[in-house]
Amino acid sequence: EPEVTQTPSHQVTQMGQEVILRCVPISNHLYFYWYRQILGQKVEFLVSFYNNEISEKSEIFDDQFSVERPDGSNFTLKIRSTKLEDSAMYFCASSEYGGSNYGYTFGSGTRLTVV
Amino acid sequence: DAKTTQPPSMDCAEGRAANLPCNHSTISGNEYVYWYRQIHSQGPQYIIHGLKNNETNEMASLIITEDRKSSTLILPHATLRDTAVYYCIVRVTGTYKYIFGTGTRLKVLA
Repeated sequence: EPEVTQTPSHQVTQMGQEVILRCVPISNHLYFYWYRQILGQKVEFLVSFYNNEISEKSEIFDDQFSVERPDGSNFTLKIRSTKLEDSAMYFCASSEYGGSNYGYTFGSGTRLTVV
Repeated sequence: DAKTTQPPSMDCAEGRAANLPCNHSTISGNEYVYWYRQIHSQGPQYIIHGLKNNETNEMASLIITEDRKSSTLILPHATLRDTAVYYCIVRVTGTYKYIFGTGTRLKVLA
């Protein structure tokens, strides 16, 4: 069964450093998403991306965050200057279509620890 | 805020059917109900979704009431590997995002 692949599985970074989280969505999918989950809390939507542009973003997704599809297969989330409160599991997801009649496939996540 | 309400936890005996309820009394006519589950800290896993008709796939069945204000996810023969947090989600029309609530923590007992 096709999978969404995320790397690395765990990343430790120092506060103030830039970090890039990588995702390889399912190959025929056109819609891409990032979610995060702070330990013990709910899964939260960050951003959706289609046709090389952001289609929707949450209040969490401020100027410190950016997304990119640099080469047609990877989908990345960049955090420019990490803060302690950015420590969380980050999940990438993709879907073939963006309409309501389709589910998403999530990756297994990257655990980001900011020290 | 999530548009759904679920019990915080449930237990189910292995091999029995697990019936997980969800209330979504403010659902609009064209909004779908989705079910996902999260095993430990893994990424959410899609289970099933529906609009108004009952749905079945290889994982589960989804029963939606006629007024669409509630639904039930049925795992017909629960196994220990079905122990997870189950999320019932109504996606707001015109958006791409899911708003996850706290879900139901299902524990399947041997």
